[in-house]
Amino acid sequence: AQSVTQLDSQVPVFEEAPVELRCNYSSSVSVYLFWYVQYPNQGLQLLLKYLSGSTLVKGINGFEAEFNKSQTSFHLRKPSVHISDTAEYFCAVSRYGGATNKLIFGTGTLLAVQP
Amino acid sequence: DTEVTQTPKHLVMGMTNKKSLKCEQHMGHRAMYWYKQKAKKPPELMFVYSYEKLSINESVPSRFSPECPNSSLLNLHLHALQPEDSALYLCASSQGWASGSGEQFFGPGTRLTVL
Repeated sequence: AQSVTQLDSQVPVFEEAPVELRCNYSSSVSVYLFWYVQYPNQGLQLLLKYLSGSTLVKGINGFEAEFNKSQTSFHLRKPSVHISDTAEYFCAVSRYGGATNKLIFGTGTLLAVQP
Repeated sequence: DTEVTQTPKHLVMGMTNKKSLKCEQHMGHRAMYWYKQKAKKPPELMFVYSYEKLSINESVPSRFSPECPNSSLLNLHLHALQPEDSALYLCASSQGWASGSGEQFFGPGTRLTVL
């Protein structure tokens, strides 16, 4: 079975500062990895995904993530955040080649950008 | 068109009411999902439809009744709900339930309040 850990429930950061949101996963098989963002009272929007190939993945809104297989991590980074990045961020995995495409979500990290 | 739409955006209902939530996608996806999301929590999977057939029911109480009239539409019929059922209900779709990467496209959600 797969599991996802987002150790930081909340990350406060000042505007224009860099940020890293951490995600670690556990799986005995290969996985696909996703970061979703949820703005207040909205649905989830895909930020980026790792399916295969280059371990550095670039997404929307200036975010990027690096897949590290040895550390089973998929941390999300942005070099300079804006107030508008304030949102809940969810890391998720699905099993590669599995019988189903069930998404396993982490518990989420609230990115709180302060002026 | 890469959009999943949901109606209504907000719904307030009494415990004796019957109401329905609607979801639509025109991406040709063959898997559709209902999730329930409580505040500050990740989405919880409720139902999965694959090729218009119910594939997964995550032990959801019978007061929630899903329906998939065709490959583009997904409904969730609500009857005799409890106040603890108040939540954001999210619909999602993906290329397949047992194929592809598992990337899911989410709708904006319906905010349900049960009085």
